[in-house]
Amino acid sequence: AQTVTQSQPEMSVQEAETVTLSCTYDTSENNYYLFWYKQPPSRQMILVIRQEAYKQQNATENRFSVNFQKAAKSFSLKISDSQLGDTAMYFCALLDNFNKFYFGSGTKLNVKP
Amino acid sequence: NAGVTQTPKFRILKIGQSMTLQCTQDMNHNYMYWYRQDPGMGLKLIYYSVGAGITDKGEVPNGYNVSRSTTEDFPLRLELAAPSQTSVYFCASRVKTDTQYFGPGTRLTVL
Repeated sequence: AQTVTQSQPEMSVQEAETVTLSCTYDTSENNYYLFWYKQPPSRQMILVIRQEAYKQQNATENRFSVNFQKAAKSFSLKISDSQLGDTAMYFCALLDNFNKFYFGSGTKLNVKP
Repeated sequence: NAGVTQTPKFRILKIGQSMTLQCTQDMNHNYMYWYRQDPGMGLKLIYYSVGAGITDKGEVPNGYNVSRSTTEDFPLRLELAAPSQTSVYFCASRVKTDTQYFGPGTRLTVL
């Protein structure tokens, strides 16, 4: 089975600054997908960004970008120009070749004005 | 499109009772998933389906059952509810291109 680990239970950042959330994973598969999801207090799960393991280029989506290190099995999320609306739980997830998703335990991000 | 809908939004069960959580999607997605999210934790996969008539277990299937008779519907059945099943339950669907769409969740309390 695959595992996903988020070692930062909670983080804070000042508005307009940059913050990086960490995620490591373990899998024996060569092809898989990685995701970051945002869960605001409304509880709705929102896709932030995704990365295909076979692509070396790091994915970017507006203020959100990832640092994907396949050999190190690391997948961090960088949020630039943090906004108050970024306050939420952030979950790292892996999709394996059997169509199963594995989620980390989450990082609670507080953006302070 | 309504996307992924779940009913009910909230439910309180007594120990030993049974219930079915409903999930429907109108996007013609083949893949559907059921997760549970315990307080302060990430999502754990209960069951999933890759198409009508095909289901398989996830990480935490004990105490649950599913069926997939149509592409649209993927109900989750709880038999003999226990306090350990108190959680928020999410249904999700996706296409082969991997983006997963989530329903709003069902908050279940077993007393």
